[in-house]
Amino acid sequence: EVRLVESGGDLVQPGGSLRLSCAASGLIVSEHDMDWVRQAPGQGLEWVGRSTKKIDGHTTEYAASLEGRFSISREDSQNSLNLQMNSLKSDDTAVYYCVFYISGIPYWGQGTLVTVSS
Amino acid sequence: EIVLTQTPGTLSLSPGERATLFCRASRSVNSRYFGWYHQKPGQAPRLLIYGASNRATGIPDRFSGSGSGTDFTLTISRLEPEDCGVFYCHHYVTSPFSFGPGTKVEIK
Repeated sequence: EVRLVESGGDLVQPGGSLRLSCAASGLIVSEHDMDWVRQAPGQGLEWVGRSTKKIDGHTTEYAASLEGRFSISREDSQNSLNLQMNSLKSDDTAVYYCVFYISGIPYWGQGTLVTVSS
Repeated sequence: EIVLTQTPGTLSLSPGERATLFCRASRSVNSRYFGWYHQKPGQAPRLLIYGASNRATGIPDRFSGSGSGTDFTLTISRLEPEDCGVFYCHHYVTSPFSFGPGTKVEIK
C-alpha cells in the first residue's frame, strides 16, 4: 500500500524559510515523478512544482508565480523528498501536499499546514 | 499553459439525482494524464477518476468519467448525501500542471 506522509509545516514569519518533507512507503521514491501541490484556506488547488523520476534525471519544474523561492530535492536513501521554501510570504499560507505518480495514477498525502504570519 | 475551466460553478441536487460536471481545457490534453478529484472540507482531495475514464480504487461505479481532447465530463449517476463537496479536474501532461477552479456540489 502506498503511503505518503508530509511533515514540517509550521507557523513562520514573513521572509522566513521552511523545509517540508514527504516520507513515502510502498513505493521507491526515485522511480516516480512527484509534485507538490498547495491549497490556501478556502481556495482551490495550485500546482507548486515537480521532480521527475531518476531515469529522467530528477529534473525540477516550478510554478512561475513562485519566482524561484521554492526548490524540490530528493533523499532517495531515505525514500523521501523535500520542499525548501524561502522568502515566505503571507500568500504562501496553505496546506501543502505531496503527490506521486505511479503508472500515471496520482497518490496523495494528507498534507501539512504552513502558516506565514507575524 | 493549459487552463482548465469547470462548469457549473455550483450544482444543487437531491439525493438520487444525476449530476453532470464539465471541464474544458484551453488546448488539447492527453487523456491519459487527466483526472477528477472530490474534496470535502478539512480533507485531502480524493482521486475519483484517472486517465479520464478509469475509476480509482474503491470508487463506486456511480462515478464515471469520459471525454478527450479539450472536453471532459464527470457523471455521478445517483447522488448520495456523502457526495457533497468540491470536485476538481486536473491535468498532468505538460508543465505547468493545473487544476480547474472546482464545481461545488450541494445536496438538497
